[in-house]
Amino acid sequence: QQPVQSPQAVILREGEDAVINCSSSKALYSVHWYRQKHGEAPVFLMILLKGGEQMRHEKISASFNEKKQQSSLYLTASQLSYSGTYFCGTERYGGSQGNLIFGKGTKLSVKP
Amino acid sequence: AAGVIQSPRHLIKEKRETATLKCYPIPRHDTVYWYQQGPGQDPQFLISFYEKMQSDKGSIPDRFSAQQFSDYHSELNMSSLELGDSALYFCASSRTSGGRNEQFFGPGTRLTVL
Repeated sequence: QQPVQSPQAVILREGEDAVINCSSSKALYSVHWYRQKHGEAPVFLMILLKGGEQMRHEKISASFNEKKQQSSLYLTASQLSYSGTYFCGTERYGGSQGNLIFGKGTKLSVKP
Repeated sequence: AAGVIQSPRHLIKEKRETATLKCYPIPRHDTVYWYQQGPGQDPQFLISFYEKMQSDKGSIPDRFSAQQFSDYHSELNMSSLELGDSALYFCASSRTSGGRNEQFFGPGTRLTVL
């Protein structure tokens, strides 16, 4: 039931782009994206509800393909501050509202 | 903007002791969630409350209990602590709007069991 994130880790140079994927074997009601820095709380980035929906948070955007039960997070022109672990959290149809199941995370390192 | 408040931020306990973690949600948020995150792990859902009633239960041990009070703050009570309970405990709150259940996390309580 846990969504699968890929890649597990990625190293970028400042200004480079990256894509993080999140896929589930179960029908999804929504996908939530968070960024967490070491020892800190996960920070909410965005939530996607409807199939085909796209959202944006600064230079980070995401899409949700409801039919494929997949979401992708796009980081454009990465900045040093983007470093951290990115988690997708999924809400399933038939599950209790808000009960998020998180993927194992993608560790992103942005180097100067 | 007001954020989720958690106390204490750090807690050190011995095995078999008890611990109480507190959470104060963002004002006007109607739902509170508790998550446990072990080192290098993803957050694991423990329990949630909607309008002071338990709404869902996840992988919460029987040794743990939680409640939400009339002022909407919540407490997670942990008894007979084990070494494996050492983790970061996060509280998150949300206010459902148009089906969007955006959860905002507090800074967490780092529990160390010796």
